[in-house]
Amino acid sequence: QVQLQESGPGLVKPSETLSLTCTVSGGSISVYYWSWIRQPPGKGLEWIGYIYYTGSTHYNPSLESRVTMSVDTSKNQLSLNLTSVTAADTAVYYCARGTWFGEFDYWGQGTLFTVSS
Amino acid sequence: DAVMTQSPLSLPATLGQSASISCRSSQSLVYNDGKTYLSWFQQRPGQSPRRLIYKVSNRDSGVPDRFSGSGSGTDFTLKISRVEAEDVGVYYCAQGTHWPLTFGQGTRLEIK
Repeated sequence: QVQLQESGPGLVKPSETLSLTCTVSGGSISVYYWSWIRQPPGKGLEWIGYIYYTGSTHYNPSLESRVTMSVDTSKNQLSLNLTSVTAADTAVYYCARGTWFGEFDYWGQGTLFTVSS
Repeated sequence: DAVMTQSPLSLPATLGQSASISCRSSQSLVYNDGKTYLSWFQQRPGQSPRRLIYKVSNRDSGVPDRFSGSGSGTDFTLKISRVEAEDVGVYYCAQGTHWPLTFGQGTRLEIK
């Protein structure tokens, strides 16, 4: 059974950089597209972008200038960096497995990331 | 962006009765390959989203056959026949035909 587990600091100050990691177990990171999706408290879902196992990335234009994703196939890990964070970036961040067309079939449990001074 | 509009946003449902959620896209979701990349997700309280349906009408393994998806082009429907207490949560449609990938606002299903 494929499992995804996000990890990160939980709290970051405004203007700093959010760094999250997603560890994939029970399956290979190869072949699939790996997305980051966020959900502000009490609100809906927003796709941040995805990375293919080769390292090819596609980001949501609304966040593209601040987002970097990477993949480490040797560790079965994905990473997300989001720079210059503000309170608007406070959300639960999920990693999810999918295809070029989204279709996210496995999700992590999510990690709450809060921006506060 | 392809804007996904769900209705209703709140759905009081009766146990044992059917319930339907509408999802409309601002653009046709038919891709160049002829397929339509519209998925439905269920998010139970305190849980991560779970995919129920992909490519409009394909039900995921383990999803009760009470859940069904239909539609074409820009108009899609998720139907839950015989609503059960475990169906409480928020339901999202999502499109993968156009970049960026986008979700509907969500429909909150509650039991009357």
